[in-house]
Amino acid sequence: LAKTTQPISMDSYEGQEVNITCSHNNIATNDYITWYQQFPSQGPRFIIQGYKTKVTNEVASLFIPADRKSSTLSLPRVSLSDTAVYYCLGTSRGSYIPTFGRGTSLIVHP
Amino acid sequence: GAGVSQSPSNKVTEKGKDVELRCDPISGHTALYWYRQSLGQGLEFLIYFQGNSAPDKSGLPSDRFSAERTGGSVSTLTIQRTQQEDSAVYLCASSLRRAAGTNTDTQYFGPGTRLTVL
Repeated sequence: LAKTTQPISMDSYEGQEVNITCSHNNIATNDYITWYQQFPSQGPRFIIQGYKTKVTNEVASLFIPADRKSSTLSLPRVSLSDTAVYYCLGTSRGSYIPTFGRGTSLIVHP
Repeated sequence: GAGVSQSPSNKVTEKGKDVELRCDPISGHTALYWYRQSLGQGLEFLIYFQGNSAPDKSGLPSDRFSAERTGGSVSTLTIQRTQQEDSAVYLCASSLRRAAGTNTDTQYFGPGTRLTVL
């Protein structure tokens, strides 16, 4: 299975921009890179997905370099409600099984 | 519309007993996943169903674990002779289909079943 690597935890303050980087060296050629958010006692929920370059939606931006071996989730002007665990997700070549990893626990302080 | 539902939300059982966990996916979703999440850990893939194809059971940790999906809809995860290390949150997710040209679907998760084995 593909191995994704993210920081275990991050701290930020309200109003700041947060960037979380994930490495996924063995991502399948035709796979998209997907990020999920999980609040305590809830299942993960989809945030954003992209293939390369930059994708932006109402929640976040996703930056993917040309080699696609990493991606960066950018959360603009975080609030306390953005405190959650963020997972990047990929699949390895020859597999369709997604690998979530341990995720990044983001804590936003007042 | 209705999302993915799971039941029960909490299950406490004694070591050695069998348990059944249920997942109702979003109507029309052909793919269904089961994951396990231990306290403070990430999601561990267990099993994957896609349409009428044979399920991918490569993530099941032992032969005490099994799952079925009847009629391409509801799925049941069964754990026989439960052990304390089986205590975790069991999450189910469904997706509409494998996106054309990629292997990455957008998965919709249920709230999970918290299993505690005493």
